[in-house]
Amino acid sequence: SAVISQKPSRDICQRGTSLTIQCQVDSQVTMMFWYRQQPGQSLTLIATANQGSEATYESGFVIDKFPISRPNLTFSTLTVSNMSPEDSSIYLCSVEGPRGVFSTDTQYFGPGTRLTVL
Amino acid sequence: AQSVTQPDIHITVSEGASLELRCNYSYGATPYLFWYVQSPGQGLQLLLKYFSGDTLVQGIKGFEAEFKRSQSSFNLRKPSVHWSDAAEYFCAVGRGKLIFGQGTELSVKP
Repeated sequence: SAVISQKPSRDICQRGTSLTIQCQVDSQVTMMFWYRQQPGQSLTLIATANQGSEATYESGFVIDKFPISRPNLTFSTLTVSNMSPEDSSIYLCSVEGPRGVFSTDTQYFGPGTRLTVL
Repeated sequence: AQSVTQPDIHITVSEGASLELRCNYSYGATPYLFWYVQSPGQGLQLLLKYFSGDTLVQGIKGFEAEFKRSQSSFNLRKPSVHWSDAAEYFCAVGRGKLIFGQGTELSVKP
């Protein structure tokens, strides 16, 4: 089965700095998404990473704070910019499709990146 | 508004006992429903999903869920819980954008 990996798995950062999280899939996928899971909370969609164009952000999330890239069908990055302690969360990427590798209309999640901001 | 409610924040069951985790949803269109499990320090693993057809769906690890449109529910069940089932369970609804419930933490007593 296809593998989704994220780097780094965890990090501790100082406020005011930025961190870029990578999501790599070992096969081409149709859709890629980024979620945030704040401590003790559920998951919230940040944005849909679109290949070759700007990401589509959900209400409450902006490109300046969470720039996203998706240069091809297997890779995406999420940057958390100008971090504050409130950004301490687990950040997860998920992928969807194509049929035969990952099911369509079904999201499969990476292992997550645990970020602590001091 | 679209939402998912998992009424039970924490459940404790004895090993070998049956389990039912509740999930209620509010969704305007035909719901695509999912159950995921998250073990400590891990990502989310898909247990099962429902799109259409038979309202009782089977998943991995011996889990099943039943879709009840009249009750807007999609409860997860397992007839006999194992200690390794201790984890956080999330119900979700949607296509593309998934809306997650708050999660139910399952503890298993020996």
